[in-house]
Amino acid sequence: EIVLTQSPGTLSLSPGERATLSCRASQNVFSNYLAWYQQKPGQAPRLLMYGASRRATGIPDRFSGSGSGTDFTLTISRLEPEDFAVYYCQQSGSSRTFGQGTKVEIK
Amino acid sequence: QVQLQEPGPGLVKPSETLSLTCSVSGGSVRSGSFYWSWIRQPPGKGLEWIGYIHYSGSTNYNPSLKSRVTISLDTSKNQFSLKLTSVTAADTAVYYCAREDLIDQYMDVWGKGTAVTVSS
Repeated sequence: EIVLTQSPGTLSLSPGERATLSCRASQNVFSNYLAWYQQKPGQAPRLLMYGASRRATGIPDRFSGSGSGTDFTLTISRLEPEDFAVYYCQQSGSSRTFGQGTKVEIK
Repeated sequence: QVQLQEPGPGLVKPSETLSLTCSVSGGSVRSGSFYWSWIRQPPGKGLEWIGYIHYSGSTNYNPSLKSRVTISLDTSKNQFSLKLTSVTAADTAVYYCAREDLIDQYMDVWGKGTAVTVSS
């Protein structure tokens, strides 16, 4: 099983600041089948990125993804109030697993 | 647009079988372009993938749950279902159904989730 480790566990930032979230895999993620999701309290997850760097439909361009192999990053260039949430990475290269999540909270 | 809805039983007794159905509207489970998936989230915790089914009938399950899980498709009702046997308190969670793209393998449409509690 591929284990995904996200860091940090919590990121405390102010609106307008840049957020950098990390996702490290225990093995190479085949074909970069790596996605990012945003989840707000009481809501289902929402797809942000897939294929490590491809933005899903309707996702603002302040969200970007990068990485390959075992190291992946989600960057939010300038945090908007609606971006404070929990973010999960997920791989589909071998079965499917999720990271434990990074909470982006208002400082 | 495609929508998924998963009303559920709410409360299941320990050792019994949890059964959930996801209704698909605005699209068809007959589409060969998607997997139809189940994911769960225990209270205050992260997401756990349970498994998926494809229109062809092929399934793929989380190895940690495989012995207790069955996912099936009902094309006449445009639904897919989850059965989880021998439940314990550890199976208490919000259960989500989702659609996964076959080619790029991302989950782009999710149901709102249904909370299931295992308790006597």
